[in-house]
Amino acid sequence: EAQVTQNPRYLITVTGKKLTVTCSQNMNHEYMSWYRQDPGLGLRQIYYSMNVEVTDKGDVPEGYKVSRKEKRNFPLILESPSPNQTSLYFCASSDRGSQPQHFGDGTRLSIL
Amino acid sequence: AQTVTQSQPEMSVQEAETVTLSCTYDTSENNYYLFWYKQPPSRQMILVIRQEAYKQQNATENRFSVNFQKAAKSFSLKISDSQLGDTAMYFCALSNYNTDKLIFGTGTRLQVFP
Repeated sequence: EAQVTQNPRYLITVTGKKLTVTCSQNMNHEYMSWYRQDPGLGLRQIYYSMNVEVTDKGDVPEGYKVSRKEKRNFPLILESPSPNQTSLYFCASSDRGSQPQHFGDGTRLSIL
Repeated sequence: AQTVTQSQPEMSVQEAETVTLSCTYDTSENNYYLFWYKQPPSRQMILVIRQEAYKQQNATENRFSVNFQKAAKSFSLKISDSQLGDTAMYFCALSNYNTDKLIFGTGTRLQVFP
């Protein structure tokens, strides 16, 4: 089954404690992306990757890191999480120049 | 700058009735896609319908159809014969051919009443 898998689905943690949200896709997609969803703001892009070892900033990259060492994986790293990063996060993937994007089920992060 | 605007934060409709959700957008590109995504309480992002800008014909998927007005930069979603399962947040989104990036509107929360 074609899917994008995110883990964990829920996480409550404290300010400053490094965390990683994993994302994996099994569709051999070149393009992967992270979004955050906040009430009244819709979804906004954090980082994206057009292929292995190629990543770039989206609209709200501050406080986040990503890596793309393998085509299927695109983890989102919060080195020193802060309460303003409390949000719902989505990973998505697609073929280049082709849509639609396939979304993971989301990760609810709460930073206390 | 590319933007997507959904001016209706909330809407409601009675079961079996028809409802239209509005979306306007702005882009300087000629080649782009437009989408409607549905987000039910389970929070999954589910693609409802997609429109390619070069196609004049409005996209249709079962009870869902769009009214794509390219010159006016308008992309509304019509849901016919509304069902209780249509209750969800609906997002309009824009993507250019070159960047793959999805730009979302702020969403419209639709409630379907029995």
